[in-house]
Amino acid sequence: QKEVEQDPGPLSVPEGAIVSLNCTYSNSAFQYFMWYRQYSRKGPELLMYTYSSGNKEDGRFTAQVDKSSKYISLFIRDSQPSDSATYLCAMSERDDKIIFGKGTRLHILP
Amino acid sequence: SAVISQKPSRDICQRGTSLTIQCQVDSQVTMMFWYRQQPGQSLTLIATANQGSEATYESGFVIDKFPISRPNLTFSTLTVSNMSPEDSSIYLCSASEGYGNQPQHFGDGTRLSIL
Repeated sequence: QKEVEQDPGPLSVPEGAIVSLNCTYSNSAFQYFMWYRQYSRKGPELLMYTYSSGNKEDGRFTAQVDKSSKYISLFIRDSQPSDSATYLCAMSERDDKIIFGKGTRLHILP
Repeated sequence: SAVISQKPSRDICQRGTSLTIQCQVDSQVTMMFWYRQQPGQSLTLIATANQGSEATYESGFVIDKFPISRPNLTFSTLTVSNMSPEDSSIYLCSASEGYGNQPQHFGDGTRLSIL
């Protein structure tokens, strides 16, 4: 079993819809959970950074962590065409080595 | 957050040659890292670049193949040595601004193709 599993997509949704992106993981020692957004030919851009379980909201983005189920989610409300990108989940035991998912390609249809 | 610049942004190289990639941060950072991103694969950590000491390499990566320098708190280089087509990838630099609960921020990467 891989440490981090993420559906590669592509995921296509109409503009304005709520997007749900998810990852599962196997290492119960992970404490820090991140979501990065990566546009084509660009580096990953940090969207959300959370510690342990719970929810965190930032504008249209909400990150959820359920450590008991080893499951994390990113929700995007009122999705826009500019949200079209690859979304990478990532996690670490400490604040150094990060383990990334393969990324989910998201397309928001105008 | 720190702004990270990488040079070159892309290059096409001949088999057997070496290429050095530069990573410059606009502020002093505690930790710098080098990753590889292959098509359809997740980002993989190559090594942690330690200021004033030898880099710490992950399993599967060795210093002879990927020598790293970090002469100060804002700059690091990664060299890809004796390149083969299997080294064709995107190489990414990241930085973290401190110890304890500090996320990593990334540069835009170097897209490397080996002929």
